[in-house]
Amino acid sequence: DAKTTQPNSMESNEEEPVHLPCNHSTISGTDYIHWYRQLPSQGPEYVIHGLTSNVNNRMASLAIAEDRKSSTLILHRATLRDAAVYYCILRDGDNQGGKLIFGQGTELSVKP
Amino acid sequence: DTAVSQTPKYLVTQMGNDKSIKCEQNLGHDTMYWYKQDSKKFLKIMFSYNNKELIINETVPNRFSPKSPDKAHLNLHINSLELGDSAVYFCASSQAWDRVGYTFGSGTRLTVV
Repeated sequence: DAKTTQPNSMESNEEEPVHLPCNHSTISGTDYIHWYRQLPSQGPEYVIHGLTSNVNNRMASLAIAEDRKSSTLILHRATLRDAAVYYCILRDGDNQGGKLIFGQGTELSVKP
Repeated sequence: DTAVSQTPKYLVTQMGNDKSIKCEQNLGHDTMYWYKQDSKKFLKIMFSYNNKELIINETVPNRFSPKSPDKAHLNLHINSLELGDSAVYFCASSQAWDRVGYTFGSGTRLTVV
């Protein structure tokens, strides 16, 4: 399974944008880039995913490097409720049983 | 309506006991999973079932036995509980052919004393 590398922790100020980086230099052509987050005392929650093009949804944006070896999750205006552990995960799109393998993630703290 | 629901939310039990955790999803998904999150917050997949068939079994002790009576349910039975089994167990579901996200339950915190 392809691996990802993320910073252990990041800090942000409320209402400012946050850019969470992820390196995945061994990504294969069929791997989708998924982001999940886990709020305190809750289960992981799907945030966004993409393959090659940048993606936007109501929660966040995903910027994918042209060579696909890195990506950035962008929270446009951080709120206190965005404090969570954010996981960047590669999922094999050709494997119908493709399991999510969680790494250590980035713990995001948001200061008022 | 809760999409993926687990019961119980908390479970405290003694070593050596046998216990079960139940999971139900109302999303119509084909695939269900059990994950274990230990004290260091590391999330690890344990099992995956697709349409009631086991497709992933990640070197979990055979004291853990998943059972899927239908594709909407995946229960986890644990025999002879040990202290090291203390963790938060998460159930999840996904549509196997859909490359979108998993939906997770809110977890069952198991404490073995």
